[in-house]
Amino acid sequence: GQQLNQSPQSMFIQEGEDVSMNCTSSSIFNTWLWYKQDPGEGPVLLIALYKAGELTSNGRLTAQFGITRKDSFLNISASIPSDVGIYFCAGQLGFSGGYNKLIFGAGTRLAVHP
Amino acid sequence: GAVVSQHPSWVICKSGTSVKIECRSLDFQATTMFWYRQFPKQSLMLMATSNEGSKATYEQGVEKDKFLINHASLTLSTLTVTSAHPEDSSFYICSARRDREGSYEQYFGPGTRLTVT
Repeated sequence: GQQLNQSPQSMFIQEGEDVSMNCTSSSIFNTWLWYKQDPGEGPVLLIALYKAGELTSNGRLTAQFGITRKDSFLNISASIPSDVGIYFCAGQLGFSGGYNKLIFGAGTRLAVHP
Repeated sequence: GAVVSQHPSWVICKSGTSVKIECRSLDFQATTMFWYRQFPKQSLMLMATSNEGSKATYEQGVEKDKFLINHASLTLSTLTVTSAHPEDSSFYICSARRDREGSYEQYFGPGTRLTVT
């Protein structure tokens, strides 16, 4: 089946540093979504991308939908302690039938040292 | 907008009993909802797709008779774990898909921690 390769698996950074993580796949996706999950809670949608090449920002977060539609990256600028959590990428193949389900990456665990 | 709630947030039950988990989209209608299971330090595993007014679609390896899904309205889907056993203990998360022109975003509930003793 389809798989997403998300990297890095974990990151330990100093407060104020920038962060970059990415997801790649052998499949072409119509939608890329980035989520953040805190311990014991459900994932929260950060950014949704719908067009190849699309670059979207949400505060200090920036994500891009790769031109080939097989990859996406998420950048966090000037990290702060509350950025700690697990970040998941998710791809969607289509919008109807069996294609409307999300395929998740394994997650990137982010730790920020003050 | 786009708030999804789950109830209960945690539940402890005895082996052999059944547990029902509710998922509600509070400020939008969702023809499609999803149920996931998440083990510690792992990603989300899709269990089934719940469609309003029709039968749920289960992923391979998920027992439909054990995990009963009912999507009775455009804002409510329920997951019933029947005859629960300790191996069913997990974090169950639902999501609801908000369909708007050009976008199909999934919003997640806060999750339900199930412990079967």
